[in-house]
This record gives sequence, C-alpha cells and structure tokens, in this order.
Amino acid sequence: EAQVTQNPRYLITVTGKKLTVTCSQNMNHEYMSWYRQDPGLGLRQIYYSMNVEVTDKGDVPEGYKVSRKEKRNFPLILESPSPNQTSLYFCASSRTGSNQPQHFGDGTRLSIL
Amino acid sequence: KNEVEQSPQNLTAQEGEFITINCSYSVGISALHWLQQHPGGGIVSLFMLSSGKKKHGRLIATINIQEKHSSLHITASHPRDSAVYICAVPPGGSRLTFGEGTQLTVNP
Repeated sequence: EAQVTQNPRYLITVTGKKLTVTCSQNMNHEYMSWYRQDPGLGLRQIYYSMNVEVTDKGDVPEGYKVSRKEKRNFPLILESPSPNQTSLYFCASSRTGSNQPQHFGDGTRLSIL
Repeated sequence: KNEVEQSPQNLTAQEGEFITINCSYSVGISALHWLQQHPGGGIVSLFMLSSGKKKHGRLIATINIQEKHSSLHITASHPRDSAVYICAVPPGGSRLTFGEGTQLTVNP
C-alpha cells in the first residue's frame, strides 16, 4: 500500500531535549516536505526536498533541521526544542514537486513543555 | 495579506444542500490543490488543477487563472462531508502555501 509513515504519532517532551520525527515514503517520490499546523495559522511549510541531498527552506524553518540521505526518508530534527514548537506536524511527498498531488502522513502531535 | 485567502472560514449546512467554498490567491501559479482534513486530523488530496474544472463523485473543483480564483463545490452534501477543506498553491520554486481552511459542518 502506498503510504507516508511518520513516527512518533504523539510525543510530549521537555525544552532543550533533542528529538527527531521520522518520515518515510514507499512510492519512490522525489519531493518530500514538512509542515506544521497551528490554530488560526493553518499549515505552514518548514522545509522541503527535491531529491537526495537537495533541501531548501520553506516559510518557517527556524529551529528545525532536515536531511535527505536516502530517497525514501526525510527526518525532521529539533536540536533544542522550545514550547513555541508545540504543534501538529505533517510530512508529505509527491512525484516531483509542489505542483503534483501531495500524499500526507497521519501527523505527529508534539508537545514541548 | 496572505497569498491564499479562503472563504468562508466556517460553514454550516443541512444535508442535501449545495456547498461552495472559495479560494483566492495573489501569485502566479502552475497548479492549485484542494485538500480535505477530517476530524481525526489526516489530510487527503482531493484535486489538483491548473485550468478548467475537475469532478470526482459529488465534488467539483473549478479554477479561473485570469481572476486568480478557485471554487470547490459539493453537491447533495452529507454529514460525512463534514471536514476542513484547505486550498494550497505553489507560489514559486517548490514551496507550497496554504489557506487557513474552511470548517464545514453538515447537519442531518
């Protein structure tokens, strides 16, 4: 089954403790992206990747890192999480870019205390 | 001003009614996405269109590139259509920018 898998689905952690949210897709998609969703602000793009070793900033990249060492994986790293990064995070992929149908993961709800 | 504006923000309808959700954008685009987010939180892609009209079951999406406007229509609405509907556009490069979403509630 074609899917985008995020882990963990839920995480409560404390300020400053490094964490990684994993994202994996099994569709051989070139484009992958991370978004955060906050009430009143909607979805906002954090980072995206056009292919292996090619990443670029979205609208809200501060406080986040990403890497794309393999085509199927695109982890989101919070090196020193802060409470303002408490949010619902989505990973998505598409065949070649943002002008292709997007496939979303189920979301990761992060709470930073 | 946001690059993508949706209206209305909230919409309540009775089962069977015809629903229209609007999306206006301020940038040149190559395509526009309509997404659906159910109460459980998952997001699915409904349509991606760059011109004209697309139809899938009771859902119809239209776009007018000259007027920078798109509409999502739901015919014969049903309570299971209750969800947040989100419009998104690629404003340049490979970014994606979203509207704030329209919360639709369809009552039986």
